[in-house]
Amino acid sequence: GIQVEQSPPDLILQEGANSTLRCNFSDSVNNLQWFHQNPWGQLINLFYIPSGTKQNGRLSATTVATERYSLLYISSSQTTDSGVYFCAVTPGLFSGGYNKLIFGAGTRLAVHP
Amino acid sequence: SQTIHQWPATLVQPVGSPLSLECTVEGTSNPNLYWYRQAAGRGLQLLFYSVGIGQISSEVPQNLSASRPQDRQFILSSKKLLLSDSGFYLCAYLPDRAYEQYFGPGTRLTVT
Repeated sequence: GIQVEQSPPDLILQEGANSTLRCNFSDSVNNLQWFHQNPWGQLINLFYIPSGTKQNGRLSATTVATERYSLLYISSSQTTDSGVYFCAVTPGLFSGGYNKLIFGAGTRLAVHP
Repeated sequence: SQTIHQWPATLVQPVGSPLSLECTVEGTSNPNLYWYRQAAGRGLQLLFYSVGIGQISSEVPQNLSASRPQDRQFILSSKKLLLSDSGFYLCAYLPDRAYEQYFGPGTRLTVT
């Protein structure tokens, strides 16, 4: 099956710093989502980005599907950005209607004041 | 607007006891529904998914089962819990003709 690898596994930042999180996947995908899991366990949708670039405030994401990776950029980090960031993909060139997500192991981010 | 609910939020159950976790979705019809489990400190693993009432597909052989008695209701069950069933259970939905999944708040299950 498809492998989803996220790096780095852990990241510690000072408030105000920028960071880049990476997600590599081993096969073609037709769906890619980035999530932030807050300390209470809630998964918050950040981006649906099977290809291209999107921006939302201090966050932006880029997926290069032909090279099988996606990047999540966090600028001017805040303590509220702390938590675990997950990349999840649906394998296959075309959506088959089931949209089953395969998750990476996540990047644990701690932002200190 | 669309919302997803799960209950209970937390549950402590003895080994061998039954389990029933419920998930309901509001504000959308004919969604795909999913159950995921997250072991401590790890990523999420898909357990079951459903594309319609009474239609359940299992991804991982295990001690659990799922049912979808109504369009926007998804239930995760077990007849006899094992210690290894402990974890954080998340329900998710995919709106009809959409591509982005949304997750509920989760149920934290501890089997003692």
